[in-house]
Amino acid sequence: AQSVAQPEDQVNVAEGNPLTVKCTYSVSGNPYLFWYVQYPNRGLQFLLKYITGDNLVKGSYGFEAEFNKSQTSFHLKKPSALVSDSALYFCAVRDGSNTGKLIFGQGTTLQVKP
Amino acid sequence: ETGVTQTPRHLVMGMTNKKSLKCEQHLGHNAMYWYKQSAKKPLELMFVYSLEERVENNSVPSRFSPECPNSSHLFLHLHTLQPEDSALYLCASSQESTVTEAFFGQGTRLTVV
Repeated sequence: AQSVAQPEDQVNVAEGNPLTVKCTYSVSGNPYLFWYVQYPNRGLQFLLKYITGDNLVKGSYGFEAEFNKSQTSFHLKKPSALVSDSALYFCAVRDGSNTGKLIFGQGTTLQVKP
Repeated sequence: ETGVTQTPRHLVMGMTNKKSLKCEQHLGHNAMYWYKQSAKKPLELMFVYSLEERVENNSVPSRFSPECPNSSHLFLHLHTLQPEDSALYLCASSQESTVTEAFFGQGTRLTVV
């Protein structure tokens, strides 16, 4: 069965510093991986995805993620954090069925301090 | 704006009430989903509809009843809920059989009193 783990409940960084939000996955077959962000009392917004190709994927708002097959990881990164990046981040893997449903990690709260 | 609209945004209901949540998508997608998001819990997939047929029901109590009358609309009918059902209910849609992302609505914040 597909699964995703986000080992950190919360990540704290200072504004201007690089940030990393960790995600590891377990899949049978090809991994299709996604990152979403959620601001308070809002729905999830898509950030980026890995399907195939380059291991470094670039997405919205300056975020990028690095796919590492040997470590089964898909960590979210940003070179310079902004206070406005503070939110809840979810990693997800696409279910192997044709319905395309997503299996989510438990989420990581990112807190960027001025 | 993601192209997925949920109404109402907020709902307070008593345990004996009957209410419905509505979701509408204008993205031409053929799969729709209901997720439940409780405080300090991961997103829980409740129902999956593909081509207007329910293809998955993840052990959801019968007090939650989904309906998908066409590919653009999805409802969640609620009756005799419990306080522990208070949560953010998220609707999403995607195009099945393609590796595309799902798009989420803003959610309905439900409070059961």
